Amino acid sequence: GIQVEQSPPDLILQEGANSTLRCNFSDSVNNLQWFHQNPWGQLINLFYIPSGTKQNGRLSATTVATERYSLLYISSSQTTDSGVYFCAVGGNYGQNFVFGPGTRLSVLP
Amino acid sequence: KAGVTQTPRYLIKTRGQQVTLSCSPISGHRSVSWYQQTPGQGLQFLFEYFSETQRNKGNFPGRFSGRQFSNSRSEMNVSTLELGDSALYLCASSLGHSAQQGYGYTFGSGTRLTVV
Repeated sequence: GIQVEQSPPDLILQEGANSTLRCNFSDSVNNLQWFHQNPWGQLINLFYIPSGTKQNGRLSATTVATERYSLLYISSSQTTDSGVYFCAVGGNYGQNFVFGPGTRLSVLP
Repeated sequence: KAGVTQTPRYLIKTRGQQVTLSCSPISGHRSVSWYQQTPGQGLQFLFEYFSETQRNKGNFPGRFSGRQFSNSRSEMNVSTLELGDSALYLCASSLGHSAQQGYGYTFGSGTRLTVV
């Protein structure tokens, strides 16, 4: 099955800093999403982005499907951005979303 | 419109018992998927249902089962609970199923199951 890697595993930032989270996947995909898991466990959908670039406020994401990676950019980070960020990909053969191990982000005031 | 609703939010069960978790998808969504999240294994796929049919099943023992009703609501059942079944169980709904492009997942708040 598809393998998903995320880097870095942990990230500590000062409030106001920018960051880039990376997701690498081992096969071609037809679905890709980025999620933020809040401290209460809920997975919040950030982007559905199997290819191309999208922006939503301070967050943006780019997926280069031909090179099998996706990037999530967080600008001017806030303490409320803290949590775990997951990349999830769905394969071309009806495979369900496979989640990466996540990046744990801590934004310090 | 209402999001994905999972009940109950918290559950404590004794080893050997069985448990049923419920998930109501977003109105109009026909696909429901279940995931188990543990600190050691991360998020692992359990099942996917679409129009009352199980489309995919993850690598879990037969003690884990599920079903979907005609109104797209889904339940999952775990029989003969083991300590290792303690986890956050997350349900996600989608307009389309996993083989279709263009449909993302929306997750519920999860059910946190503790087996003692």
